[in-house]
Amino acid sequence: DAGVIQSPRHEVTEMGQEVTLRCKPISGHDYLFWYRQTMMRGLELLIYFNNNVPIDDSGMPEDRFSAKMPNASFSTLKIQPSEPRDSAVYFCASSLGPFNPYEQYFGPGTRLTVT
Amino acid sequence: AQSVTQLDSHVSVSEGTPVLLRCNYSSSYSPSLFWYVQHPNKGLQLLLKYTSAATLVKGINGFEAEFKKSETSFHLTKPSAHMSDAAEYFCVVGSNYQLIWGAGTKLIIKP
Repeated sequence: DAGVIQSPRHEVTEMGQEVTLRCKPISGHDYLFWYRQTMMRGLELLIYFNNNVPIDDSGMPEDRFSAKMPNASFSTLKIQPSEPRDSAVYFCASSLGPFNPYEQYFGPGTRLTVT
Repeated sequence: AQSVTQLDSHVSVSEGTPVLLRCNYSSSYSPSLFWYVQHPNKGLQLLLKYTSAATLVKGINGFEAEFKKSETSFHLTKPSAHMSDAAEYFCVVGSNYQLIWGAGTKLIIKP
């Protein structure tokens, strides 16, 4: 298996622009998680899906952030408009639930820089 | 409520010496506990997990952790450090289908 795939690996954009991050989970995994990692705040869970349905989005910082999972093999995290404080590494992870929801497999991350 | 505390932000050891990374947790019931590792500029990888079976858990790369309920601890150890162990290590509690992350401990290996 190729593991969790994220694209792009690096994204540099200007403040105010729309940013879309993409994730392909491991085939057969029915949980998908989006995380953000910064030096100041560490690793934060933004949102997670079960069987393509958003279950908990309480970690999404504000309305500028949105996430979708149109099918079992694809998810997006969108930031519109982006701000410099959104600069972080964004990780996608998947797991095979419901008995192993905590054994999460992480993608390599997308390093986002907003100037 | 679940929580996890990693007692050291940085640990520095010489190559070939033992490693101890400390973790304490708070849980109202029998927890699921994990250690994840993140090498520089890489994603996170599951190192080992405790899910109420044996209290001594063996993971990858020679690491192991012992679940001690009386001490609410789940410390990570390795008998002999290798340069490739230099990374950040996260102690994690599983709760309500979410992972609650510790702040991380950066392991530094001196040659």
